[in-house]
Amino acid sequence: KAGVTQTPRYLIKTRGQQVTLSCSPISGHRSVSWYQQTPGQGLQFLFEYFSETQRNKGNFPGRFSGRQFSNSRSEMNVSTLELGDSALYLCASSAFDSSFSGNTIYFGEGSWLTVV
Amino acid sequence: SQQGEEDPQALSIQEGENATMNCSYKTSINNLQWYRQNSGRGLVHLILIRSNEREKHSGRLRVTLDTSKKSSSLLITASRAADTASYFCATDRSSYKLIFGSGTRLLVRP
Repeated sequence: KAGVTQTPRYLIKTRGQQVTLSCSPISGHRSVSWYQQTPGQGLQFLFEYFSETQRNKGNFPGRFSGRQFSNSRSEMNVSTLELGDSALYLCASSAFDSSFSGNTIYFGEGSWLTVV
Repeated sequence: SQQGEEDPQALSIQEGENATMNCSYKTSINNLQWYRQNSGRGLVHLILIRSNEREKHSGRLRVTLDTSKKSSSLLITASRAADTASYFCATDRSSYKLIFGSGTRLLVRP
């Protein structure tokens, strides 16, 4: 079974530009979430989608947005890029496990964004 | 904001030794998960322990959970150079949203 796939792996953007990152979850997983990882702030939750609906949102400005398609693939977009947006953006997918009230959450390799 | 802290922040041991990392969190949880991250890579899921469990094993990994102290520990036995990585604990109160600790950087010297 293929894992969580993220594209692109590396990209460089200029301040003020926008960027779109893509994530394909594990087959059968309907929940997709996004995290930002920086040396200063660590791993922080951005948002989570399930069945094309945003269910949870972290404490990030409105420049950060996302969406999920009917095939569960997800994209996140960052507009008006700032230097501080340079980070590793991680996508994760999960499927509800009926054996217990919780979910194992699997991560992709991430997309490295550098804003210059 | 991060849920809690991990201790130590960095750990250097000799190959073959055991490595113990601790994680503390602030609020009640449903589950606690441990992840490994090699430099510049994604997170690899290691083990999940439910709030009503106290101990769990997976290969060379042993995880304990003490909900009264809001803490967990990850023990890696007979460490190998390939275990060199950062280790994170992550908690969830509601499904699908993880709150991560600050991580422990483990260096296993050959």
